[in-house]
Amino acid sequence: SQQGEEDPQALSIQEGENATMNCSYKTSINNLQWYRQNSGRGLVHLILIRSNEREKHSGRLRVTLDTSKKSSSLLITASRAADTASYFCATEKNDYKLSFGAGTTVTVRA
Amino acid sequence: AAGVIQSPRHLIKEKRETATLKCYPIPRHDTVYWYQQGPGQDPQFLISFYEKMQSDKGSIPDRFSAQQFSDYHSELNMSSLELGDSALYFCASSQLGYSSTGELFFGEGSRLTVL
Repeated sequence: SQQGEEDPQALSIQEGENATMNCSYKTSINNLQWYRQNSGRGLVHLILIRSNEREKHSGRLRVTLDTSKKSSSLLITASRAADTASYFCATEKNDYKLSFGAGTTVTVRA
Repeated sequence: AAGVIQSPRHLIKEKRETATLKCYPIPRHDTVYWYQQGPGQDPQFLISFYEKMQSDKGSIPDRFSAQQFSDYHSELNMSSLELGDSALYFCASSQLGYSSTGELFFGEGSRLTVL
């Protein structure tokens, strides 16, 4: 991966549980974004957090950003079967393009 | 609301053939991106256009070229296809902010299979 590394690579949880995944990156960024991808489909934007922000919420999603550690986490609370997907973090430096991490595959068991 | 439209959705080609993928961005978006995603891989940036001019180039092979036309649609041309070119090719569009890239809107992708 060019920029982000994600951890874990795969996650299997029970419906109703929380899912947490982490992303680390290497260089300074303008913003970090999280995307979801259902198998073989397009990527869907979930949330954007800017470099001067530390935490952001959107519905059942909570994103944190620690620029000193060059890392971010995505928390999905009260997971549902429909949350089963791959989740990618993507970072933007000062170059107007996104570099994607390797992704975390989340499976939510009913 | 209108989304990013890609065509064709599926394409099968033989080695050494040529393929052309098309992308129609969301109206009034000024930037188009092309990404390649191999099986089980993260999307890799290929090339981008801002206001019809090439703005950045990533890991795009010399066998590939792209352009954005006056109506803002973009085409990715791939020649001398190799087995390793088999992948999902995504187009995305966005409205660039003053100092950074905001949300990218992705198409559903074009799946290229090279036999």
